[in-house]
Amino acid sequence: ELKVEQNPLFLSMQEGKNYTIYCNYSTTSDRLYWYRQDPGKSLESLFVLLSNGAVKQEGRLMASLDTKARLSTLHITAAVHDLSATYFCAVTETSGSRLTFGEGTQLTVNP
Amino acid sequence: NAGVTQTPKFRILKIGQSMTLQCAQDMNHNYMYWYRQDPGMGLKLIYYSVGAGITDKGEVPNGYNVSRSTTEDFPLRLELAAPSQTSVYFCASSQGLAGRAAKNIQYFGAGTRLSVL
Repeated sequence: ELKVEQNPLFLSMQEGKNYTIYCNYSTTSDRLYWYRQDPGKSLESLFVLLSNGAVKQEGRLMASLDTKARLSTLHITAAVHDLSATYFCAVTETSGSRLTFGEGTQLTVNP
Repeated sequence: NAGVTQTPKFRILKIGQSMTLQCAQDMNHNYMYWYRQDPGMGLKLIYYSVGAGITDKGEVPNGYNVSRSTTEDFPLRLELAAPSQTSVYFCASSQGLAGRAAKNIQYFGAGTRLSVL
């Protein structure tokens, strides 16, 4: 059974600081996704990572994937208040289509 | 530019009632999914479909049924609602796995907030 663990689950940051969210998964996978969810809203796709060493960047967010360590990171650079949201990683088993989600990291960026 | 449309947005059910949550997508996606999200938790897969006429169970299928008679629609049926089914339900769709490099990004609807009292 595929398990996905995120840490931390809660993160309170000051504006302008950097931080990293970690996502570990338990079995081999060929697709890892990061989603954002604002309170009371739906999920928005941020990144999909398909191969070992893949790195994707959008604005202040950068995601990377290490398939050998079964680890993905979401790095936040110079955080701003607008980044406050819950971030989920989700993983599919190799050649599968079913997503298994982590519990999410609730990020709060304080002025 | 509708994407994935879910109805209703909110619903309150009494224990033992039944209802159908509607989901429609206009992106010609092959794959569709139903998830539930309990407060402060991640999403759990209820059922999914890889094409019209094909459905399969996810992680938490008990108490639910689905059908997929068209590519566009994927309704979720709750029979004999129970308080444990109080949750937010999300429908999603994706293009599918057409090749090893297929991203197969899932696009989500706005959700249905269901309370069973």
